[in-house]
Formats: sequence, structure tokens, C-alpha cells
Amino acid sequence: DADVTQTPRNRITKTGKRIMLECSQTKGHDRMYWYRQDPGLGLRLIYYSFDVKDINKGEISDGYSVSRQAQAKFSLSLESAIPNQTALYFCATSDHRDTEAFFGQGTRLTVV
Amino acid sequence: TQLLEQSPQFLSIQEGENLTVYCNSSSVFSSLQWYRQEPGEGPVLLVTVVTGGEVKKLKRLTFQFGDARKDSSLHITAAQPGDTGLYLCAGANNFNKFYFGSGTKLNVKP
Repeated sequence: DADVTQTPRNRITKTGKRIMLECSQTKGHDRMYWYRQDPGLGLRLIYYSFDVKDINKGEISDGYSVSRQAQAKFSLSLESAIPNQTALYFCATSDHRDTEAFFGQGTRLTVV
Repeated sequence: TQLLEQSPQFLSIQEGENLTVYCNSSSVFSSLQWYRQEPGEGPVLLVTVVTGGEVKKLKRLTFQFGDARKDSSLHITAAQPGDTGLYLCAGANNFNKFYFGSGTKLNVKP
């Protein structure tokens, strides 16, 4: 089983719909991140959380919200999806004592 | 605007050739990582460099961190088709926020 699991792996949704992407980890890490990947732009940080009660905006948080339900779970919501939110979304985790980030396999989201 | 600029964006070479990928920034980082990503997968860490001027080797891959901790390079010797993928550099600040470059897409032809 993967250490960082994202669900769903693929999703097609309509403009205006609310959608939630989920991430769970078994690594016991305190820090979790949501990134978005677009062609030619690498990964851009949407939100990050250093602990269960800590939520911080990243570079591109507009149109997104997150919830850290437990240390192992971090979900990303699009309240009203729009086509330019079509992208590959990655969840990542890290430990505060280390510099390495561990990534999930990604969620390919298409908004039509 | 990307905090980290990678060059080149695309690289297509023949098996056996050498190549260098660059990662540059105007910011200082406490550490810098190189990741490799294959289609349909998340990035996987190759190496972390921490000290200015540090050089690390991983088989045919050589990573260097600039003296000022603002830039890095990845050199691959005698590239093989298995090296094909997207190479991403990421800088971390003291609070463990990771900033990614735009990536270098490498294709090694047999």
C-alpha cells in the first residue's frame, strides 16, 4: 500500500460543482501539503498544514479550501469548480525534522 | 513568477550522451532537493543538498549546490532511456515550505 494515498485518481466534474479531493498518509508525518501541477509550471503550492490545527495559504489558494481532519488526513475542496482548475493535484507529506517531501500518485481533475 | 527557474525546459538526447540541468533562484534556501517524476506518478526524491558547494553523486547522476545556496545543477553521465522523465528541483526554507521549479522534461532515445 502507498504511504500517501489520494482519492479519487481521476475525476471529471461540471463547472459550478463542489468537489473534494482526499489525502491520507501512513508515514506519521506532521506536515501535509496540496500542490497543483500544470504543464510548464511545475508544482504550485495551494495550501499547507504543519499540524492538525494549523492551516496556511500557499501561492494559489483562491477558489480552494482545505480541512485537516486528523494528522493523517488532509482534504482539498473546490467549492465551485471552474475549467481553469483542470490540473493534476498532488498531496505531499513531510516530517518537521527532515527536508524530504513524499508525494501521492496524484488526482487528475477535469472541469468541463 | 516561479521562484526557481529550471533550464532547459525540454531536452531530447541520444543514449550515451551527457547532459546538465540547471536550477536557479535569487533566493537562498536552507536545502534543495531534486525529484524525478514519471507519467502518472508523483515526484520521487533523488537527493537533498544542504551545504553550499556540496556535491553528491548517485551512480551516473551528480548534483551540486551553489556556494551561495541559490542554485543547483544535475549532471547525468552516459544517459540511458531509463533516465527519461521530468526532473524537478525544489527549494526548502527553514519552515519546510517547498518551492518547485517548472521542471525539465528529459527524453533519452535508444
